[in-house]
Amino acid sequence: DGGITQSPKYLFRKEGQNVTLSCEQNLNHDAMYWYRQDPGQGLRLIYYSQIVNDFQKGDIAEGYSVSREKKESFPLTVTSAQKNPTAFYLCASSTPGTGVYGYTFGSGTRLTVV
Amino acid sequence: GESVGLHLPTLSVQEGDNSIINCAYSNSASDYFIWYKQESGKGPQFIIDIRSNMDKRQGQRVTVLLNKTVKHLSLQIAATQPGDSAVYFCAENGSGGSNYKLTFGKGTLLTVNP
Repeated sequence: DGGITQSPKYLFRKEGQNVTLSCEQNLNHDAMYWYRQDPGQGLRLIYYSQIVNDFQKGDIAEGYSVSREKKESFPLTVTSAQKNPTAFYLCASSTPGTGVYGYTFGSGTRLTVV
Repeated sequence: GESVGLHLPTLSVQEGDNSIINCAYSNSASDYFIWYKQESGKGPQFIIDIRSNMDKRQGQRVTVLLNKTVKHLSLQIAATQPGDSAVYFCAENGSGGSNYKLTFGKGTLLTVNP
């Protein structure tokens, strides 16, 4: 079955560490996105990518980095420069070129700073 | 700095009642709208979508209404069940056409009382 997989489901980070969240999709979707969700709040866009080897900053990109070396994969690195990284991170993908704009979301990664 | 967190709007209904969740969107050029359901600790799931050339669309137990004049979107859930308890997000595709990024609303927390 096609889908989008995020791993790990839970991640703990020590102060000053970089951590990488994985996002893989086998839907053949061109566009991929990373969102951050804090308790009781909506989704805030971190980075997005429309095609391989290209990505754009979203609204809250500071302290984060991404790569898009393969169509299927869009990993997110939370760097030590991100001062408040504890949150729920969601990856999504879409295929806007077909006129279908809806996203398919992964199940999320909960990151906690310890 | 980051904004202070805001509490989600909430809606509490009795099992079996109909629920109506409202959403105001901002961009009059948006031509695609979608509703997502997010259960606690999970990624958002697609419920129903509607294009701007329609006023109403029905799914299984759900109906979406679009009023472009006042830029308002609503989700109606018939015979609400405890399993419907979740946060519901509306989303729009912003400038429409080739704009593939969705803009999400803050979300509404629906609680269904047995």
